[in-house]
Amino acid sequence: GAGVSQSPSNKVTEKGKDVELRCDPISGHTALYWYRQRLGQGLEFLIYFQGNSAPDKSGLPSDRFSAERTGESVSTLTIQRTQQEDSAVYLCASSLTWASYEQYFGPGTRLTVT
Amino acid sequence: KQEVTQIPAALSVPEGENLVLNCSFTDSAIYNLQWFRRDPGKGLTSLLLIQSSQREQTSGRLNASLDKSSGRSTLYIAASQPGDSATYLCAVLMDSNYQLIWGAGTKLIIKP
Repeated sequence: GAGVSQSPSNKVTEKGKDVELRCDPISGHTALYWYRQRLGQGLEFLIYFQGNSAPDKSGLPSDRFSAERTGESVSTLTIQRTQQEDSAVYLCASSLTWASYEQYFGPGTRLTVT
Repeated sequence: KQEVTQIPAALSVPEGENLVLNCSFTDSAIYNLQWFRRDPGKGLTSLLLIQSSQREQTSGRLNASLDKSSGRSTLYIAASQPGDSATYLCAVLMDSNYQLIWGAGTKLIIKP
């Protein structure tokens, strides 16, 4: 009965390094979403997957950000050449289908770029 | 352990009415509180963010208040419209670990 899990829970990296964040959705959920929240700001939508395709990439802040999903399973969000402004909590959520009201969120990955 | 509760779970009102959604939390050690709406097939939309030192925030027909000491927030929607139909969520950002704790949401239906 596992929920959405994310790893790592915390990541500290030096400016300019690449990082990879992982999300394991609830089994059977076809839709997967990535958000980020910077301190003091609202939640930002980044990207969502329906299956392993991403019909909406409009929220990715720059071409340093990319995301992949393997089938209807694990997703990774990769940030290349990290900048200090990338410091945020990165949240992943999944839902049964893209049209479902209910999105189940993971605990988040707190990324700090020094 | 922080618990965030939203009442009511669902609400259906005629168009044009003013309405209030409630959010309560058990641990007052919060950094901020946010209200979101969630529409089917879309991501969350951030509506209002209230810092722990603030009492209220306004955006258009929306007004959110925060009483941190009593662990309560309200979202007031004036002159409701069918387009306001969505699930409204509140979430608190914890002071201690910056973890975001979510309420279960209020499903709002505005009838034309």
